[in-house]
Amino acid sequence: AQSVSQHNHHVILSEAASLELGCNYSYGGTVNLFWYVQYPGQHLQLLLKYFSGDPLVKGIKGFEAEFIKSKFSFNLRKPSVQWSDTAEYFCAVNPIQGAQKLVFGQGTRLTINP
Amino acid sequence: NAGVMQNPRHLVRRRGQEARLRCSPMKGHSHVYWYRQLPEEGLKFMVYLQKENIIDESGMPKERFSAEFPKEGPSILRIQQVVRGDSAAYFCASSAGQGLREAFFGQGTRLTVV
Repeated sequence: AQSVSQHNHHVILSEAASLELGCNYSYGGTVNLFWYVQYPGQHLQLLLKYFSGDPLVKGIKGFEAEFIKSKFSFNLRKPSVQWSDTAEYFCAVNPIQGAQKLVFGQGTRLTINP
Repeated sequence: NAGVMQNPRHLVRRRGQEARLRCSPMKGHSHVYWYRQLPEEGLKFMVYLQKENIIDESGMPKERFSAEFPKEGPSILRIQQVVRGDSAAYFCASSAGQGLREAFFGQGTRLTVV
C-alpha cells in the first residue's frame, strides 16, 4: 500500500545536538514533499517543501531536508537544535498523479533537553 | 490576515449526541481538507471539498460522518451519534487551487466524547 513512514516515534536530544529525522514514502510517481511542525497545543506549520529542482531544500528556523529519489526519502535535518524545537514533526506527501491530498507519516515527537 | 479558522477549539459531547465542527478557509481559498488525528497517531485524511462539491471522501467513515462546504459560510464536519472512539483532534486545511502546493492548517477542534 502507498504510505509515508517516519522511522523515529520519539527522539530525545540535548541542546546543540544535530538532528536528523527520517521519512520514506512508497509512491512510485512524481510527488511533492513537505515537512510540518506542530508545537504543543498549536496548529501545523509548514517547515519546508520540495516540488522540483535542487534536492536540498532549506526551510524556516534553520531546518533543511534532502530529497533522495533513489531511496524514496526526504529526511529532515538541523545542525544544532534548540529547546524551542521541542514539537511534533510530520512528513507529508502529495502524489501529483493521484488524488489531491496530503498523506502524512505518523509523526516524530522531538524532545530537546536544555 | 486571518488564517484558517476552526471552531470550537474544544468540544465535549456525550455519547449519542451530534458534533458539528466548523472551518473557515483562508481568504481566497476554495479547497478545504479535513483530517483526523487520533492520540499517538499521525493525521489521517478524511475528505476534500471544493465549494458545494465533495471531491474525495475516501477517508470518511461510512456511517455517521458527513461534510459540506456550502456556497456561503464555513465548511462543516458533522458527526452524528458520537462514540468514544470519535474522540480526536480534527484539523481543517485550505489551499488556493489544485495541486496542493501549499496547504494551511487551522488550530484544530479537539473533540472529547464522554
